[in-house]
Amino acid sequence: DAGVTQSPTHLIKTRGQHVTLRCSPISGHKSVSWYQQVLGQGPQFIFQYYEKEERGRGNFPDRFSARQFPNYSSELNVNALLLGDSALYLCASSWTGGSSGEQYFGPGTRLTVT
Amino acid sequence: QQQVKQSPQSLIVQKGGISIINCAYENTAFDYFPWYQQFPGKGPALLIAIRPDVSEKKEGRFTISFNKSAKQFSLHIMDSQPGDSATYFCAARVTSNTGKLIFGQGTTLQVKP
Repeated sequence: DAGVTQSPTHLIKTRGQHVTLRCSPISGHKSVSWYQQVLGQGPQFIFQYYEKEERGRGNFPDRFSARQFPNYSSELNVNALLLGDSALYLCASSWTGGSSGEQYFGPGTRLTVT
Repeated sequence: QQQVKQSPQSLIVQKGGISIINCAYENTAFDYFPWYQQFPGKGPALLIAIRPDVSEKKEGRFTISFNKSAKQFSLHIMDSQPGDSATYFCAARVTSNTGKLIFGQGTTLQVKP
C-alpha cells in the first residue's frame, strides 16, 4: 500500500501570495494532521481533521486554513505569505483522530517564500 | 505549558556503540510517546513508541525506557550503524480528541564507521 503522499514536493512563492498544499492519507485512514517544520526544529502542530471535521488547531494565525474531503484527502491553505512561512509542511495520517492510532508522516512539501 | 525537552542536540557514536537520546516532559496530559527518525529531505518516520503504563519497550536494536515519576523517557540504539545517522525526534501525544503531537527539538546522530 502507498504511504502518505503530498504535493507538490517543492514550491517557491512570493510574499503576499497564496499557496495550497495537498495530502492523501494512507488508504483506510480517516484522520489527517498538518505540521510545520522550520529548519533545525521539530514539527509544530497546525491542524487535525477527522471525518471532514476540524478536531484541533495549533497556535497559527487565521491565514492558515485547511479542509478535508469526502475521500479523506486534505488541503492546507496559507494566505498572505510571509518570509517566516518558509518551512517543510508535513501531513500525517492516522486511522482515527484523538488518542488512538499512530501518526504516519508524508515526505512533506518544501515551501520557500521570497 | 506543554513542552518536551530533548538532549543532546547532537551526538557522535562509533559504529557498534550505543546511542542514547533523552527527553523530558513538563505536563502529565500525555498518553503516548513516539520516536521518529528523519533523514535529510524526508518526512519523519515512526520508529518506536511507548505508552506510559509500560516502563520499557524493545524492537530490534531500538529500546525506549520510560520513567513516569521522573517524566523522562529515552531512546537507546544498540550496535549503532552508519545507516542510523539521521535526526531523531521524541514526541508526546496530548490526551485529547486531536491526537496533537508535541515534538522535542531533535538530536542529530552521526555514527562513524
